Amino acid sequence: EDKVVQSPLSLVVHEGDTVTLNCSYEVTNFRSLLWYKQEKKAPTFLFMLTSSGIEKKSGRLSSILDKKELSSILNITATQTGDSAIYLCAAPFRAGGTSYGKLTFGQGTILTVHP
Amino acid sequence: DAGVIQSPRHEVTEMGQEVTLRCKPISGHDYLFWYRQTMMRGLELLIYFNNNVPIDDSGMPEDRFSAKMPNASFSTLKIQPSEPRDSAVYFCASSPRSQGQGEKLFFGSGTQLSVL
Repeated sequence: EDKVVQSPLSLVVHEGDTVTLNCSYEVTNFRSLLWYKQEKKAPTFLFMLTSSGIEKKSGRLSSILDKKELSSILNITATQTGDSAIYLCAAPFRAGGTSYGKLTFGQGTILTVHP
Repeated sequence: DAGVIQSPRHEVTEMGQEVTLRCKPISGHDYLFWYRQTMMRGLELLIYFNNNVPIDDSGMPEDRFSAKMPNASFSTLKIQPSEPRDSAVYFCASSPRSQGQGEKLFFGSGTQLSVL
């Protein structure tokens, strides 16, 4: 059964710490893995990783895809209180014969950054 | 672009009442998704459309839930009759079909539904 699993489910750190969030996946015909950040409202897109692009970086955030281990990590360096959010990873699961995958999310990691 | 627009932002209703949630996707996006988010189950895909046609509704919990997309700029999710266990945040999202961007969803602000 296709699935996306995140760990840890919650994490509490202090400003300046570095954190690593994990996402493992089992997806038939893997196509991509995505990371989203959800603050008070809607999830917002962070990164998309594919077989041809296994590492992405934006400021203090970076993500790596490990195709051998079927996993991805999201790193945040020098954390700030504004990084407090739910971080979601997701992968498209193919629905029958359709050419487009249904994006399925992991449970999320709740990150809390204290001053 | 105004982004994905959902209404209402909050809905409080009594058990047994009909609830209709509305969504306007980003213009030009070919795909529209309805998700439900709860603490217990996280973000669950209910149904998605491609070019106004429902592609997969396997996530719809039961017959009380229905969704329509009469045109490219409007979709509804209806619950009739509503039950307390339907209380959740319901998100609508859309995405472009262009190569390499199909999975990048743009979410609306969600509808917080409370069924008493």
